[in-house]
Amino acid sequence: AQKVTQVQTEISVVEKEDVTLDCVYETRDTTYYLFWYKQPPSGELVFLIRRNSFDEQNEISGRYSWNFQKSTSSFNFTITASQVVDSAVYFCAYSASKIIFGSGTRLSIRP
Amino acid sequence: GAVVSQHPSWVICKSGTSVKIECRSLDFQATTMFWYRQFPKQSLMLMATSNEGSKATYEQGVEKDKFLINHASLTLSTLTVTSAHPEDSSFYICSAVQGALGNIQYFGAGTRLSVL
Repeated sequence: AQKVTQVQTEISVVEKEDVTLDCVYETRDTTYYLFWYKQPPSGELVFLIRRNSFDEQNEISGRYSWNFQKSTSSFNFTITASQVVDSAVYFCAYSASKIIFGSGTRLSIRP
Repeated sequence: GAVVSQHPSWVICKSGTSVKIECRSLDFQATTMFWYRQFPKQSLMLMATSNEGSKATYEQGVEKDKFLINHASLTLSTLTVTSAHPEDSSFYICSAVQGALGNIQYFGAGTRLSVL
């Protein structure tokens, strides 16, 4: 069965520090998608990125970057020069037949 | 990105009453909508998958008679919590997808239900 693991329950860093959120998945599927979503205190989940299993290219979007490595079944998310507004719960998710969310990482950025 | 509107954002009701939550895709047609429940400081738990014009598919352990889902059109799905009790108090979130499951899920803002 598919599984998504986010081992970091909570992370707290000082503003401007870089921080990496880990995501590891388990699957036997050959075709699947991976996602990252952000859930700020307001509650609404915000889509950040989608990757399909055939595209291992890393992605950079401003201060955000993602590293997808099939060899280690990981899809890690790095925030560079973190800001207080980055404080939120971040969910990694997997989908093939249905979407499965990780348990989330609560990120707190201290001023 | 696409917009999904969920209403109401917060509802307080008495035990035994029914509550209806609406989920609308505002600028796209959603072939599939999902309903999730989220407990404090926990992940999203999929309750059911809703396809337009057909019966919803419920996850194991979710009472279909308690949580009625209707997907009447390609832009609207509703979740009705029937005869609500305090243990039904939670944060309910809907999402909508256009096309196959690998497509992006766009989420509503969630509904916080408090049953007294």
